[in-house]
Amino acid sequence: DAGVTQSPTHLIKTRGQQVTLRCSPKSGHDTVSWYQQALGQGPQFIFQYYEEEERQRGNFPDRFSGHQFPNYSSELNVNALLLGDSALYLCASSFRGGSPLHFGNGTRLTVT
Amino acid sequence: GENVEQHPSTLSVQEGDSAVIKCTYSDSASNYFPWYKQELGKRPQLIIDIRSNVGEKKDQRIAVTLNKTAKHFSLHITETQPEDSAVYFCAATVNFGNEKLTFGTGTRLTIIP
Repeated sequence: DAGVTQSPTHLIKTRGQQVTLRCSPKSGHDTVSWYQQALGQGPQFIFQYYEEEERQRGNFPDRFSGHQFPNYSSELNVNALLLGDSALYLCASSFRGGSPLHFGNGTRLTVT
Repeated sequence: GENVEQHPSTLSVQEGDSAVIKCTYSDSASNYFPWYKQELGKRPQLIIDIRSNVGEKKDQRIAVTLNKTAKHFSLHITETQPEDSAVYFCAATVNFGNEKLTFGTGTRLTIIP
């Protein structure tokens, strides 16, 4: 039973560029949430997708957007990258919120 | 919105001793409190969680206590082992299943052999 998988594992981008991160939820899960974890900090909620719609959003600018596909996988897009966007981006999945969150290993994004 | 404070930021204990990590939350409506363990370069893993209708929950060497009146909850690890060394995060959410978790800033626990 595959857990939450994320790709790529590492990414280096230049300020001003755009990036897309991908996530496949754990088998049987239909809800995907994205978190940003800065170095030495706890994860911060970006947004949650369920039934291909954004259901909740944290305090992140519109440069952060996402998508969920019919197979429940999800993408996180960040436009106009800033140096401060450098962080570990974690994807987490669950079944209709009824189970605890299961996290992926994350994508380490470095913006130079 | 919810705010979660976590203390201490670092903790070193002798192997075999107990470790306690404390968190406070601001939103009295919060009703679900998970704890995650994150080893270096790995994903956060749920180790124990508690709902607001329960005051204490145990799972082998790990226990969590909740004081709703004081709005704080604690993680207790007994008989610590070297593999317990990691960063531990507490979190809170207003509605179980809401999944909009607010995390604390983490505690780096080091077990001294």
